[in-house]
Amino acid sequence: NAGVMQNPRHLVRRRGQEARLRCSPMKGHSHVYWYRQLPEEGLKFMVYLQKENIIDESGMPKERFSAEFPKEGPSILRIQQVVRGDSAAYFCASSRSGRAQDTQYFGPGTRLTVL
Amino acid sequence: DQQVKQNSPSLSVQEGRISILNCDYTNSMFDYFLWYKKYPAEGPTFLISISSIKDKNEDGRFTVFLNKSAKHLSLHIVPSQPGDSAVYFCAAQNSGGYQKVTFGIGTKLQVIP
Repeated sequence: NAGVMQNPRHLVRRRGQEARLRCSPMKGHSHVYWYRQLPEEGLKFMVYLQKENIIDESGMPKERFSAEFPKEGPSILRIQQVVRGDSAAYFCASSRSGRAQDTQYFGPGTRLTVL
Repeated sequence: DQQVKQNSPSLSVQEGRISILNCDYTNSMFDYFLWYKKYPAEGPTFLISISSIKDKNEDGRFTVFLNKSAKHLSLHIVPSQPGDSAVYFCAAQNSGGYQKVTFGIGTKLQVIP
């Protein structure tokens, strides 16, 4: 009964490199959400995806960040040309439906450090 | 603009006593509220929720109270146990939409044995 899986758990990148964060939702879940937690802050919504569709990306920075959730395989959050300010914990959550009040289950997070 | 506010960054409570964690919100469109618990190096875990049609929801040692007129909710843990030591996030949704969740910055609870 695997929960939400995220990998890698820790990722170190130098400024200017690309970071790819992966999220495999719980079995039977087709809705994925990405959140970012900066130091000393709460989780901030970034993007909501359903299989092959981006439903809401209102929380995503306009540049360098992109997300996908292909028909097959995990959801990917991609950060191009990383900067020190991208250092944060990135959490993925999944739910069975997109309806509010349907519990979101979170993965353990990926901690990105940009040197 | 912090729409969900947790003004106490930390709280220490003796084992066996009551822990009360507070949360305020500003967005009148929020009508569903959740508490998540988070241990270090783990993701948040859903704890308890409450709809705006209720003013109280109870699950074992955990009770959430909602005061809509004051836009305030609280989580009570009775009795507190050392294993409850974690960061607690208050969160809110507009159930008329989809699942976008707005989180507070969290309160770190320490239960002292």
